[in-house]
Amino acid sequence: GQQLNQSPQSMFIQEGEDVSMNCTSSSIFNTWLWYKQDPGEGPVLLIALYKAGELTSNGRLTAQFGITRKDSFLNISASIPSDVGIYFCAGREGAYNTDKLIFGTGTRLQVFP
Amino acid sequence: GAVVSQHPSWVICKSGTSVKIECRSLDFQATTMFWYRQFPKQSLMLMATSNEGSKATYEQGVEKDKFLINHASLTLSTLTVTSAHPEDSSFYICSANRLAGGVYNEQFFGPGTRLTVL
Repeated sequence: GQQLNQSPQSMFIQEGEDVSMNCTSSSIFNTWLWYKQDPGEGPVLLIALYKAGELTSNGRLTAQFGITRKDSFLNISASIPSDVGIYFCAGREGAYNTDKLIFGTGTRLQVFP
Repeated sequence: GAVVSQHPSWVICKSGTSVKIECRSLDFQATTMFWYRQFPKQSLMLMATSNEGSKATYEQGVEKDKFLINHASLTLSTLTVTSAHPEDSSFYICSANRLAGGVYNEQFFGPGTRLTVL
């Protein structure tokens, strides 16, 4: 199936550092979402983006919907140990919330104290 | 909040047997549920979209006769893996959209079911 290209694949950072990851697509999306998945759990929604150029924050997390509608990035500021996990971007081509999502390849984040 | 549960959380079965996985929206109604499969260290791959009262829509390459989906009510969808084989061993995750949830109604995910076929 189709997947979005997400980078970097993994990151090993020290507590307190900022993190940036991005997602690119060959097609245009109407919605970009960012999820976090802990081991053995389902993904949890972090941020949802609905308009090109939109910049949205959720605590220490900030995400933007690229102007071209083919990319998005997620920043995490002042990382803490509980930020450890796998971050997935997801995009939706359809116009309705019940349309399917396409997931990125994931960024595995490890935070060292 | 919107809670989605899955049962069982893990299952081990013998090759050739069938396994049923339930996905329930506990505090909301969902007309649409999705079933994903996730192999170790890989992303979520959509298997099918399940709509209440109608047949599921399967993604390309997913065998509908092997992965039977039944969305019998607005709070329950089931995935049955028929004649399971070791290559079907995976993490199966469901998600649901809240009915009439408004503009920002996104998919809520269940905790997943780990299937191991011996």
